Amino acid sequence: SQTIHQWPATLVQPVGSPLSLECTVEGTSNPNLYWYRQAAGRGLQLLFYSVGIGQISSEVPQNLSASRPQDRQFILSSKKLLLSDSGFYLCAWKGREGGGNQPQHFGDGTRLSIL
Amino acid sequence: GQSLEQPSEVTAVEGAIVQINCTYQTSGFYGLSWYQQHDGGAPTFLSYNGLDGLEETGRFSSFLSRSDSYGYLLLQELQMKDSASYFCAVRTSGNTPLVFGKGTRLSVIA
Repeated sequence: SQTIHQWPATLVQPVGSPLSLECTVEGTSNPNLYWYRQAAGRGLQLLFYSVGIGQISSEVPQNLSASRPQDRQFILSSKKLLLSDSGFYLCAWKGREGGGNQPQHFGDGTRLSIL
Repeated sequence: GQSLEQPSEVTAVEGAIVQINCTYQTSGFYGLSWYQQHDGGAPTFLSYNGLDGLEETGRFSSFLSRSDSYGYLLLQELQMKDSASYFCAVRTSGNTPLVFGKGTRLSVIA
């Protein structure tokens, strides 16, 4: 079966510090991968998605970046965090088989607090 | 741009039925999905409608009318554990990410 791992679960960082959040998927090949951010009590905002190694699409201009160095690894990074980067960061994957009706499956998320 | 509208909050009594509506305006349409998210948790997939009509999965049903750009999630025999946020989401084409509504917070009371 397929599983998705996201870490860390909780992170507290000072303003101006760098960030690296990692997401890995097991049990599937060539998945579509996604990073979403959710502010407290709000909806899910798509940040980045990837349909293959090295292929990244950015949805919102900001000081975050994403990379996909391996087929099942998706990394969210920042060089200098802002207060507004606080939130709940969710990684998700979707299988290629079955087409567009396949659901996205989410990791447990990382709760990021910027001080 | 893409927009999905759903009520921000709904309250219902344990054992009752509740319907959460979703209307959408998107540049393309490749199905309406529903997700449940408990406080502090990750969203989990509930249902998908690619064609018009009703899909039933246990106590949960979801409906779609593509001509009205409208769908709903129906929860029957409500239980306290159903208290959560519910999100509708649209995929605009086969390989694009889901676009989510802002979510409906359901509170089930005794």
